[in-house]
Amino acid sequence: GENVEQHPSTLSVQEGDSAVIKCTYSDSASNYFPWYKQELGKGPQLIIDIRSNVGEKKDQRIAVTLNKTAKHFSLHITETQPEDSAVYFCAAGNFGNEKLTFGTGTRLTIIP
Amino acid sequence: GAVVSQHPSRVICKSGTSVKIECRSLDFQATTMFWYRQFPKKSLMLMATSNEGSKATYEQGVEKDKFLINHASLTLSTLTVTSAHPEDSSFYICSATNPVGAFFGQGTRLTVV
Repeated sequence: GENVEQHPSTLSVQEGDSAVIKCTYSDSASNYFPWYKQELGKGPQLIIDIRSNVGEKKDQRIAVTLNKTAKHFSLHITETQPEDSAVYFCAAGNFGNEKLTFGTGTRLTIIP
Repeated sequence: GAVVSQHPSRVICKSGTSVKIECRSLDFQATTMFWYRQFPKKSLMLMATSNEGSKATYEQGVEKDKFLINHASLTLSTLTVTSAHPEDSSFYICSATNPVGAFFGQGTRLTVV
């Protein structure tokens, strides 16, 4: 089955600086890589995703890159703001009706 | 707005009772939904795959008689925690996928006392 590793587990960034979270996956058949933001007591919120037919996707301050050969993908948040503080999870799977395998999460803290 | 709605968001029950959690897909049909469990400061662990019109598929180690799943319509899946015990206390979350992506409900905090 799929195995997803996520690093770092915690990350503190000065407000305005960039934050990068990295994940690796094991199953070359995976073609869907979403990123979720989870705030305390709430369900994960989909913030961006990428499918294996592209190498990069950007949405305002958030971008995701995918390297299929190396089987890793990364989340980039630029111009960080205090409201970006949360736990971020990466996941991998097959788009559609297949289950997702989650990384272990990164607790991001933005220092004002 | 919400794509997947989960109810209730919080429930406290006594040991030995059963609790039902609902998961609804809004504005789209979901033949498959997923149920996850999350322990404090941990990642999401898949419990089972809910299949509309057929039996759910459970992950290894998840008791199917303990966690009953019913997917009676294309927009509703329910998880019933039967004969709940304190060790069942956890955060339960459902998800469903539409053409845009895989979305999660708000989660249900279950506390068994």
